[in-house]
Amino acid sequence: QQPVQSPQAVILREGEDAVINCSSSKALYSVHWYRQKHGEAPVFLMILLKGGEQKGHEKISASFNEKKQQSSLYLTASQLSYSGTYFCGSLYNQGGKLIFGQGTELSVKP
Amino acid sequence: EAQVTQNPRYLITVTGKKLTVTCSQNMNHEYMSWYRQDPGLGLRQIYYSMNVEVTDKGDVPEGYKVSRKEKRNFPLILESPSPNQTSLYFCASSPHGDSLNYGYTFGSGTRLTVV
Repeated sequence: QQPVQSPQAVILREGEDAVINCSSSKALYSVHWYRQKHGEAPVFLMILLKGGEQKGHEKISASFNEKKQQSSLYLTASQLSYSGTYFCGSLYNQGGKLIFGQGTELSVKP
Repeated sequence: EAQVTQNPRYLITVTGKKLTVTCSQNMNHEYMSWYRQDPGLGLRQIYYSMNVEVTDKGDVPEGYKVSRKEKRNFPLILESPSPNQTSLYFCASSPHGDSLNYGYTFGSGTRLTVV
């Protein structure tokens, strides 16, 4: 049931764009996105509800494709502060079990 | 300041010695949860609680116990810790369990080593 994230790791130069995908084999109720910097706790970025809604947070946005059971996180014009591990979390019903993917490590270089 | 507080931050213990990791939130959140984080495995849910006196198993509950006697506190109990429970533990809370509109607020983490 764990969602699958891709890629596992990505290295960018400042100003470049990146896309992180989160796929599920089971119908999704909602998807969370979090960023975790090294040695710190995960920090909530945004929630996507089924219906293809797209949301934004600074220059980071995300979409939810209900047909493909996939969510994508878009990082535009990346900054050094974007470095960290990004996790998607899948909620399959209202029951409270948020299941996280294995994470995508993003490194932004000057 | 709105926060989730975990204690201790670091703990080294021996196999079989009972321990408790405390978690407290000051946001009046109904929902609380425990996760463990291991390299390459992401965050795996141990237990969660939708409200006071309501707890349920996550994906990896074996070897752990929880209780939710008060809304603000959600301690994680390891009755007989083993080396495979060496991990980084996070407590998280959210206003409601359905998580439709609210993300989780995480505590700073507890790094546990069982020798």
